[in-house]
Amino acid sequence: AQSVSQHNHHVILSEAASLELGCNYSYGGTVNLFWYVQYPGQHLQLLLKYFSGDPLVKGIKGFEAEFIKSKFSFNLRKPSVQWSDTAEYFCAGRKGSGDKLTFGTGTRLAVRP
Amino acid sequence: KAGVTQTPRYLIKTRGQQVTLSCSPISGHRSVSWYQQTPGQGLQFLFEYFSETQRNKGNFPGRFSGRQFSNSRSEMNVSTLELGDSALYLCASSLRDKSNEKLFFGSGTQLSVL
Repeated sequence: AQSVSQHNHHVILSEAASLELGCNYSYGGTVNLFWYVQYPGQHLQLLLKYFSGDPLVKGIKGFEAEFIKSKFSFNLRKPSVQWSDTAEYFCAGRKGSGDKLTFGTGTRLAVRP
Repeated sequence: KAGVTQTPRYLIKTRGQQVTLSCSPISGHRSVSWYQQTPGQGLQFLFEYFSETQRNKGNFPGRFSGRQFSNSRSEMNVSTLELGDSALYLCASSLRDKSNEKLFFGSGTQLSVL
């Protein structure tokens, strides 16, 4: 079965530290990949997405992710985190049209001020 | 523009009962999908509807069913509730059913089965 996996379940960082959250997928061929974020008390919202073209994707709030096809990875990065980045982050993926969107189990990020 | 609205916000039921959850998508959105969120499991896909047709179904038992109406509003039903059905049920809508489409999520319905 197609799947998306996130290896870091809990991450704790200090402000200004760099962030990298891992995401791996098992799809072959065309793939659409997403990072969603859920801030405390808020709805899930899209951070960024990749579906074709430049493998380095930039999203909101200074986040970026790199699609590396050879490693089946789509890791999320931010050079300098802020306390307001404390949230749960979900990687998600789907093949072409008609496929369901599969989410990873999420990574809880806590940023210490 | 109003966001995705889910009702009720909280629900407490007992084992064996059934429950119906409602989702109103963003105006103009024709695709609605449902997810079950539990701690440690992330979001598990339930169903996806587009223009009243079920496009995809997740690996849940037949006790879980859904439908979409002509105004794009959607309902999901769970019959013969079990303790393990306690979860946050999220609805998401999107404008189209394209694979790279952004999803807009509601606040969810928190279901507790006692």
